[in-house]
Amino acid sequence: GQQLNQSPQSMFIQEGEDVSMNCTSSSIFNTWLWYKQEPGEGPVLLIALYKAGELTSNGRLTAQFGITRKDSFLNISASIPSDVGIYFCAGPYGGATNKLIFGTGTLLAVQP
Amino acid sequence: NAGVMQNPRHLVRRRGQEARLRCSPMKGHSHVYWYRQLPEEGLKFMVYLQKENIIDESGMPKERFSAEFPKEGPSILRIQQVVRGDSAAYFCASSPRDSTNEKLFFGSGTQLSVL
Repeated sequence: GQQLNQSPQSMFIQEGEDVSMNCTSSSIFNTWLWYKQEPGEGPVLLIALYKAGELTSNGRLTAQFGITRKDSFLNISASIPSDVGIYFCAGPYGGATNKLIFGTGTLLAVQP
Repeated sequence: NAGVMQNPRHLVRRRGQEARLRCSPMKGHSHVYWYRQLPEEGLKFMVYLQKENIIDESGMPKERFSAEFPKEGPSILRIQQVVRGDSAAYFCASSPRDSTNEKLFFGSGTQLSVL
């Protein structure tokens, strides 16, 4: 079945550093989504990508839809302590519905 | 504008009891999705419902689990005769329509603990 693998699994960085993480799939996706989940909360959508090659920003976050449509990247610039959380990529699968498959997650810890 | 509301936030059950999890979608949303998250894992799709209809239950375990979204009232995820392996966070999401271009909004989840 389809799988979304994220790397790195976890990152421990200093405040102010830039962060990069990626998500790869065994099959093609037409939409890539990046979510952030904080402890005890549901995922919150950060960025949605709908077109191969698309580069989209949301404040200090930038995400790209890979040309092959099998990967996506998320960058966070000048990290701050409130960036702490687990970042998940996700994409719709099984047809045209909004049923999502989620990646394995990247845990980000930011030291002040 | 209230978001997706789930209750209870925490639910403790003994093995063999029933668990009922409730989800009220965002105002104007008629599509509800339930996901389960085991510790240190991503969310896994369980079921997709519209009002009075189950559209896709391909992620639901075959036994003990059921879901409904009645014409009036919240969506209910029901787990009968719970076992320890059912302990997880259960998240509900909603959207105004069914489209891959439509964003899903998630609730804060119900943490189910089975003793």
